[in-house]
Amino acid sequence: NAGVMQNPRHLVRRRGQEARLRCSPMKGHSHVYWYRQLPEEGLKFMVYLQKENIIDESGMPKERFSAEFPKEGPSILRIQQVVRGDSAAYFCASSPRDDVYTGELFFGEGSRLTVL
Amino acid sequence: AQSVSQHNHHVILSEAASLELGCNYSYGGTVNLFWYVQYPGQHLQLLLKYFSGDPLVKGIKGFEAEFIKSKFSFNLRKPSVQWSDTAEYFCAGNQGGKLIFGQGTELSVKP
Repeated sequence: NAGVMQNPRHLVRRRGQEARLRCSPMKGHSHVYWYRQLPEEGLKFMVYLQKENIIDESGMPKERFSAEFPKEGPSILRIQQVVRGDSAAYFCASSPRDDVYTGELFFGEGSRLTVL
Repeated sequence: AQSVSQHNHHVILSEAASLELGCNYSYGGTVNLFWYVQYPGQHLQLLLKYFSGDPLVKGIKGFEAEFIKSKFSFNLRKPSVQWSDTAEYFCAGNQGGKLIFGQGTELSVKP
């Protein structure tokens, strides 16, 4: 799948540091979704972005978390002042349009954040 | 709140055994349901999807799922599993333009 690319695959941070996770959608895709998977839990929706717009951020924690998808470059999920509870796998998905109803979300392999 | 739930967290089967993974959803109206699979170290892949019509949907790799409206269920089935089916399986439904996932079921198939 020369598709959705996420990096880094693994990231270790100490409490209080910042974490930046990047996601490059599949070529031609302009919609990006971020999900978080906590241990023993399912995938939780965080945010849905189009180029330069946040469409739905209903799943984002109110503080310390932000996301962007600039006109050029990858989408970035930023976590400031990380705490141990932020340790999780963060998955990015993309689609060519608002295509959730067809199920055509293409997922990356995830970025695993560990907070010491 | 609208939700999707999977009751089996970890299932262990021997090769050739039949598989059924449960999935229930809690909302009405238009229902679009999906099953995704994540093989070890790989990204999530779409197994199958249901939008309307025939409630029995066929997916890749011999998987199928049946939508039963009266039971709010969309269980995944396979008549005979293989060792290569070892993976984590996620049920999902759409909600306002985004996918809502169940907790996932880890399937281990013993050779």
